[in-house]
Amino acid sequence: GAGVSQSPSNKVTEKGKDVELRCDPISGHTALYWYRQSLGQGLEFLIYFQGNSAPDKSGLPSDRFSAERTGGSVSTLTIQRTQQEDSAVYLCASSFPQGVNEQFFGPGTRLTVL
Amino acid sequence: GENVEQHPSTLSVQEGDSAVIKCTYSDSASNYFPWYKQELGKRPQLIIDIRSNVGEKKDQRIAVTLNKTAKHFSLHITETQPEDSAVYFCAASQTGGYNKLIFGAGTRLAVHP
Repeated sequence: GAGVSQSPSNKVTEKGKDVELRCDPISGHTALYWYRQSLGQGLEFLIYFQGNSAPDKSGLPSDRFSAERTGGSVSTLTIQRTQQEDSAVYLCASSFPQGVNEQFFGPGTRLTVL
Repeated sequence: GENVEQHPSTLSVQEGDSAVIKCTYSDSASNYFPWYKQELGKRPQLIIDIRSNVGEKKDQRIAVTLNKTAKHFSLHITETQPEDSAVYFCAASQTGGYNKLIFGAGTRLAVHP
């Protein structure tokens, strides 16, 4: 079946502009996670969704970052007034709910802020 | 909160040799420890994981060991092959309804023919 997909694969934007990154999880996966991977670094947790609610937003770096999920499926990560330090690969992962289940990652969106 | 440290940051081995990557974690409540492999330009993929009620787990050429007392866990790859070349990430989480992974910084493994 289809894996996790993300769009766009690459996004180049100018400092100060807003961007939206999209994640389509695997069908049936109600748990969804966003991570950020800066160049040469590990993955940094941003936010967790269970269904449409986000019980853990503790990793969002600032109030310029927000995310939503609709219909228990697609999620959008929005970064307002982008800064150069926002440049990174943004990865989405999904899994079955409850307890420990493998997280399946999407291919990521590479964001470059000029 | 949890902090995961990973060593070494780079590792170069000859084909057929073994490779060992080590991670330490800080939160004794963590009880799930996956390892992900990320090839250049690709998404991370789970290669093996271990839970805190187990000390060792093997899957063909890959094994993971866990020492809960010392709060460290290691990935062992035997008989390395060029296709094992990638970045490997360890992670830790507490299982309590969801699975928030805290990752190490990664190890770039190069296997030379």
